[in-house]
Amino acid sequence: LAKTTQPISMDSYEGQEVNITCSHNNIATNDYITWYQQFPSQGPRFIIQGYKTKVTNEVASLFIPADRKSSTLSLPRVSLSDTAVYYCLVGDGGADGLTFGKGTHLIIQP
Amino acid sequence: DAGVTQSPTHLIKTRGQHVTLRCSPISGHKSVSWYQQVLGQGPQFIFQYYEKEERGRGNFPDRFSARQFPNYSSELNVNALLLGDSALYLCASSLLGLNQPQHFGDGTRLSIL
Repeated sequence: LAKTTQPISMDSYEGQEVNITCSHNNIATNDYITWYQQFPSQGPRFIIQGYKTKVTNEVASLFIPADRKSSTLSLPRVSLSDTAVYYCLVGDGGADGLTFGKGTHLIIQP
Repeated sequence: DAGVTQSPTHLIKTRGQHVTLRCSPISGHKSVSWYQQVLGQGPQFIFQYYEKEERGRGNFPDRFSARQFPNYSSELNVNALLLGDSALYLCASSLLGLNQPQHFGDGTRLSIL
């Protein structure tokens, strides 16, 4: 399984764009990159998934360089409600299951 | 549409007891997986079931078992409970498998005294 490394914590302010980078140097050819968001006492919530280049949906963008050894989750114009833990996952959905690391604690201040 | 539902939401047990946790996936979802999340850590994969068969197993002892029923709902069973089993147990469902976005329930908080 590809191991991921992401910052333990990040701070930002309302209205700013936040970029969280995840390193996954030993990503395999069949692996996808997926990000989840988790609030206290709730289950993780799917944000975005990609394989290469750029993916955008209504809440975030995911940037993946050509070598796929890292990825960046971009949250545009964050609000206080974006304060949460963000997990970067890399895998092919095989029998080893999803591997969550410790995630990035994002704190948004007024 | 209803999301993934788990029951009970909270449970208190003592060491050595047995517990059964239940999960109802989103309608139409055939894959169910279970995770254990201890405080301050990310969720850890326990099992995945698809079409009532076990398709994946994490690094958990044999005290942990699960099954999936014909209606795709699932149970997680834990025998001989230990203090270290205290955690949030999460269930997730998806249409086909783990390579698709997972929809998580809000979990069962299990406390072992």
